[in-house]
Amino acid sequence: GAVVSQHPSWVICKSGTSVKIECRSLDFQATTMFWYRQFPKQSLMLMATSNEGSKATYEQGVEKDKFLINHASLTLSTLTVTSAHPEDSSFYICSALAVRGQFFGPGTRLTVL
Amino acid sequence: GENVEQHPSTLSVQEGDSAVIKCTYSDSASNYFPWYKQELGKGPQLIIDIRSNVGEKKDQRIAVTLNKTAKHFSLHITETQPEDSAVYFCAVDDMRFGAGTRLTVKP
Repeated sequence: GAVVSQHPSWVICKSGTSVKIECRSLDFQATTMFWYRQFPKQSLMLMATSNEGSKATYEQGVEKDKFLINHASLTLSTLTVTSAHPEDSSFYICSALAVRGQFFGPGTRLTVL
Repeated sequence: GENVEQHPSTLSVQEGDSAVIKCTYSDSASNYFPWYKQELGKGPQLIIDIRSNVGEKKDQRIAVTLNKTAKHFSLHITETQPEDSAVYFCAVDDMRFGAGTRLTVKP
């Protein structure tokens, strides 16, 4: 139990395009999901907390208009990187909060050319 | 906000030896202390956690100890195996992560 999936697992896009990443809790419902960003050999940095049916809460320094989060159902949250630029290239990881704790997706590697 | 420090940043041990990773935190109101294992190119996986009303928890070769007075908690891995090699992260209250420890177990 407590499986979280992410799609796509990797994506390469041109500068200026938008990319959507999906995070799904497969066998449980999650009213709260988190989005993290991880640079090579660094720790996870919390970007935002996604709450089902309400607006996401963004961490200081994270542009909400750049990183759009939608948590439309109890099993799905999406992160859209708008007008992506090379500096947005990173490993994006979501997690879903279950009764037993926080469970992470496998991550999405975004490369912006 | 919460400040989480993790040491060491890298740790190399011989197969069969024990490994200990330590984290300190700043907010005395923190209640939940999980440890995650992350393999290359994958998301973190919860390996063990402890809550503030418990001082120690063990699961086979893995144990976590918590000292609330000193505000630190540690991950202990005994009888290490090469497949234990990964990056380990501590976290506090689910959202604040330590910088990570790269553990290498040499066969």
